[in-house]
Amino acid sequence: GESVGLHLPTLSVQEGDNSIINCAYSNSASDYFIWYKQESGKGPQFIIDIRSNMDKRQGQRVTVLLNKTVKHLSLQIAATQPGDSAVYFCAESDQFYFGTGTSLTVIP
Amino acid sequence: ETGVTQTPRHLVMGMTNKKSLKCEQHLGHNAMYWYKQSAKKPLELMFVYSLEERVENNSVPSRFSPECPNSSHLFLHLHTLQPEDSALYLCASSQEGPFRGAHKNIQYFGAGTRLSVL
Repeated sequence: GESVGLHLPTLSVQEGDNSIINCAYSNSASDYFIWYKQESGKGPQFIIDIRSNMDKRQGQRVTVLLNKTVKHLSLQIAATQPGDSAVYFCAESDQFYFGTGTSLTVIP
Repeated sequence: ETGVTQTPRHLVMGMTNKKSLKCEQHLGHNAMYWYKQSAKKPLELMFVYSLEERVENNSVPSRFSPECPNSSHLFLHLHTLQPEDSALYLCASSQEGPFRGAHKNIQYFGAGTRLSVL
């Protein structure tokens, strides 16, 4: 069936470096995507979203890129901080499949 | 604070017990959701309520019984659970229900109830 998923289950980065978390989706009709962050002991929290008519959207230290040709999303975190350590999920708005997420560990 | 409160935070129950999980949202949202999160597995959608009507039931065993008495409250009644039901149960709410407009589907999650079935 249709789904979204993530490329790597774990990612370790040095504090201060940039992080890139990838996500692939299969439904070419998807028109809206959301990134969530789940810290230990908490539920997922909304980070940033993007519509399919956009290629890029920037937030505070985060940027989401959308490549509809290859059905690929990425979340870029600039100057990664220890507080960014969490599991990151991408999701399509009209479905409720989050994948297993990518666990980001920031090394001080 | 996300505006979604779940109680209890932790629950240990035997297989013959009956218990209930509670979720309350203070955001004025119209849709509420139950998810199950097990280790190394994707988040699993269990139920969706929109304007107090169940609009999604994702083939969940009948030992899980949801109840949505109003748009602010959601319960998950548990009965004769199995050890494999041990997981983190997450509640979420969104402004509108599924398929009602992209930005209105952003979900706000509670911190979850960590359930252990012995």
